[in-house]
Amino acid sequence: GQQVMQIPQYQHVQEGEDFTTYCNSSTTLSNIQWYKQRPGGHPVFLIQLVKSGEVKKQKRLTFQFGEAKKNSSLHITATQTTDVGTYFCAGPPLDTGNQFYFGTGTSLTVIP
Amino acid sequence: EPEVTQTPSHQVTQMGQEVILRCVPISNHLYFYWYRQILGQKVEFLVSFYNNEISEKSEIFDDQFSVERPDGSNFTLKIRSTKLEDSAMYFCAAGEQDRYEQYFGPGTRLTVT
Repeated sequence: GQQVMQIPQYQHVQEGEDFTTYCNSSTTLSNIQWYKQRPGGHPVFLIQLVKSGEVKKQKRLTFQFGEAKKNSSLHITATQTTDVGTYFCAGPPLDTGNQFYFGTGTSLTVIP
Repeated sequence: EPEVTQTPSHQVTQMGQEVILRCVPISNHLYFYWYRQILGQKVEFLVSFYNNEISEKSEIFDDQFSVERPDGSNFTLKIRSTKLEDSAMYFCAAGEQDRYEQYFGPGTRLTVT
């Protein structure tokens, strides 16, 4: 079945260090979305990428969608304590309806 | 950010009982979803709903589950004959377009004892 894996599962960084999480899908995705979930909270939409090879930036966050539309990455430059949370990628497979598969998530801890 | 609301925030039920989880999506959104998240794990898709009918469902969404939009605003998830393993956070989400960004509600924590 469809699997969306993320690595690493956990990441601890010193405040000011960079952070990257990688997302890999077993099948081609129609689009990739990224969500952030704070501890005890709900997923909050960050961004969506649709085109093969697309790169988008939001302030210190850079998102990439792979050429084959099966992988993606999120890079945070100079992390801050407000970046703490779990980052999930998610997307619908290209060949099905609107099921959404979430990745396994990367939990980020930022040490002040 | 537009707001999706869910009630109750926490539901405790005994094994074998039925529960109904309620969601009020954003008024101009047409696509609705239910997800489940077991503590510490990933978010799992259960079902999507559009135009008053189910459009997709996962293998988790078996005959134990059903969804309704009874009055044009509320969106409900019914779980019949609850089991211990149904204990999880259940999130409702809504979107304006098919397979595009979704707004999640705060969730209902279901505890089955």
